[in-house]
Amino acid sequence: GQNIDQPTEMTATEGAIVQINCTYQTSGFNGLFWYQQHAGEAPTFLSYNVLDGLEEKGRFSSFLSRSKGYSYLLLKELQMKDSASYLCARLNQAGTALIFGKGTTLSVSS
Amino acid sequence: KAGVTQTPRYLIKTRGQQVTLSCSPISGHRSVSWYQQTPGQGLQFLFEYFSETQRNKGNFPGRFSGRQFSNSRSEMNVSTLELGDSALYLCASSSPGQGYEQYFGPGTRLTVT
Repeated sequence: GQNIDQPTEMTATEGAIVQINCTYQTSGFNGLFWYQQHAGEAPTFLSYNVLDGLEEKGRFSSFLSRSKGYSYLLLKELQMKDSASYLCARLNQAGTALIFGKGTTLSVSS
Repeated sequence: KAGVTQTPRYLIKTRGQQVTLSCSPISGHRSVSWYQQTPGQGLQFLFEYFSETQRNKGNFPGRFSGRQFSNSRSEMNVSTLELGDSALYLCASSSPGQGYEQYFGPGTRLTVT
């Protein structure tokens, strides 16, 4: 199976740091993506990890541990506009499709 | 460069009817994938086309079908619509030269009554 698990909802305040976790089944692993989706809009690409470690991109960072089947998305200096759904996804074994988790809805309050 | 476009953006159909949705990928992208998004199930993979060939198919009934044309534009068709087919249908395109990143279109919101 290719189950992907992530929390359904998270809340945080402006300026804070939040970590969104994602676990997945390790068999046939081909890469891990994070997408952001604002309500009523299409998902937009945030990050792609295929090797272990932390990748930093501005206020957003993504971490991967292939042996543990674990990833997280770290959002720093939260802003109201970061309120969105964050989708964890892995490539299928053939590398031709994304298998998504159900998403984590993040609410940022002032 | 223009992004992925999908038409129509909104559609209302009746149970038992059929529907065709269209997707134009980013220029130069040859892979087109289709996804269904519902509040209960999230984003689920329907199928993927590359150079007019279906390379992969998700776990959906045969009522869902698709095709890709020589210019990489793609269509998906749903026959004998059911209420549960109400969803946002998203199309995404990608290019082998840009890794596996997929670029999503704005989606078609289908409502079946």
